[in-house]
Amino acid sequence: EPEVTQTPSHQVTQMGQEVILRCVPISNHLYFYWYRQILGQKVEFLVSFYNNEISEKSEIFDDQFSVERPDGSNFTLKIRSTKLEDSAMYFCASLLGQGQTQYFGPGTRLLVL
Amino acid sequence: AQSVSQHNHHVILSEAASLELGCNYSYGGTVNLFWYVQYPGQHLQLLLKYFSGDPLVKGIKGFEAEFIKSKFSFNLRKPSVQWSDTAEYFCAFSRGYQKVTFGIGTKLQVIP
Repeated sequence: EPEVTQTPSHQVTQMGQEVILRCVPISNHLYFYWYRQILGQKVEFLVSFYNNEISEKSEIFDDQFSVERPDGSNFTLKIRSTKLEDSAMYFCASLLGQGQTQYFGPGTRLLVL
Repeated sequence: AQSVSQHNHHVILSEAASLELGCNYSYGGTVNLFWYVQYPGQHLQLLLKYFSGDPLVKGIKGFEAEFIKSKFSFNLRKPSVQWSDTAEYFCAFSRGYQKVTFGIGTKLQVIP
């Protein structure tokens, strides 16, 4: 069965550094998402992406965050200047279309020191 | 704002006990409903989903859930749990192709 993949599985960074989290969605899917889960809290939506543009974003997704689909297969989340509170598990998801199910990747655990 | 409430944050059961995890969502329109499971150290997996049709849906590993529209509920059930069901369970919903909104999760611990 096709899967969403994410790299790296773990990332440790210093506060103020830029990080790029990478995702490879399922190949024929059209909608792409990033979520995060701070330890002990629920999974929260960050941003959705369709047709090469952001279709929805949450309050969390401020100017420090950006997303890109640079080459038709990868889907990246960039955090420009990480803060301690960005430490979380970040999940990528993709969706074929309406009436279908979002498939989640295994996540990248980000730790900001 | 749309949200999902899960009634139990931590449930401890003995093997062979029956399980019911409560879930209510707040949105007045048509929704897609999900239960996801996260086993220790693993990623989110879809347990079952409801889009339309029979409100009683069956998922993997003997789980089922019932959608009751009048109560905005989508409770998860399993008649007899096993130790391997120890995991965190998330109720969630979405509208069409939009974001999935998750509940806070219920940690289930099954004691052998």
